[in-house]
Amino acid sequence: ETVMTQSPGTLSLSPGERATLSCRASQSLGHNLAWYQQKPGQAPRLLIYAASTRAASIADRFSGSGSGTEFTLTISSLQSEDFAVYYCQQYNNWPYTFGQGTKLEIK
Amino acid sequence: QVQLQESGPGLVKPSETLSLTCTVSGASIRSYYWTWIRRPAGKGLECIGRISTGGDTDYNPSLKSRVTMSVDTSKNQVSLKLSSVTAADTAVYYCARGGGSYRDWGLGTLVTVSS
Repeated sequence: ETVMTQSPGTLSLSPGERATLSCRASQSLGHNLAWYQQKPGQAPRLLIYAASTRAASIADRFSGSGSGTEFTLTISSLQSEDFAVYYCQQYNNWPYTFGQGTKLEIK
Repeated sequence: QVQLQESGPGLVKPSETLSLTCTVSGASIRSYYWTWIRRPAGKGLECIGRISTGGDTDYNPSLKSRVTMSVDTSKNQVSLKLSSVTAADTAVYYCARGGGSYRDWGLGTLVTVSS
């Protein structure tokens, strides 16, 4: 099973700041990686797929990069609605697996 | 707009079978993969398995011996059965459209395993 490791576990930032979230895979994924945002009581929301492609209706302050085993989600200027938990997910090797999540909280 | 709605008992006794249904509206379930995902309390997301409308399935090896998925194209529904449940199966269960990344999700349903 491909293990996905996200860092940091918690990120404390202020609105307007830049957020950088990391995701590392235990084996190479090519570009088969997605990022999700989840808020309490809601389903995960797809932000990025194919490592760097924004999903429909996702604001351009969200960007993804990386390939192989190292990936990054960047939020260029945090808005109040961006404080949530973020998960990466690999879909290169079955079973598809998620990272444990990064909680983005208001500083 | 595609909508997915999970339904089923919110409480299941240990050793019994958990049964959930995902009803899809706004799209035909044909020509897609459908995936069940769960999130145990305090833990991360876990893919349980996926099914195509042709009936091809892939189950998570950690659950494979207990999982059965099926589709009912006449009702536009996807079903999940998980047998011999324990407290470790207590989780929010989601259905999602896709076989890779998942754009469309249901809101999820909490299933508690307890006597």
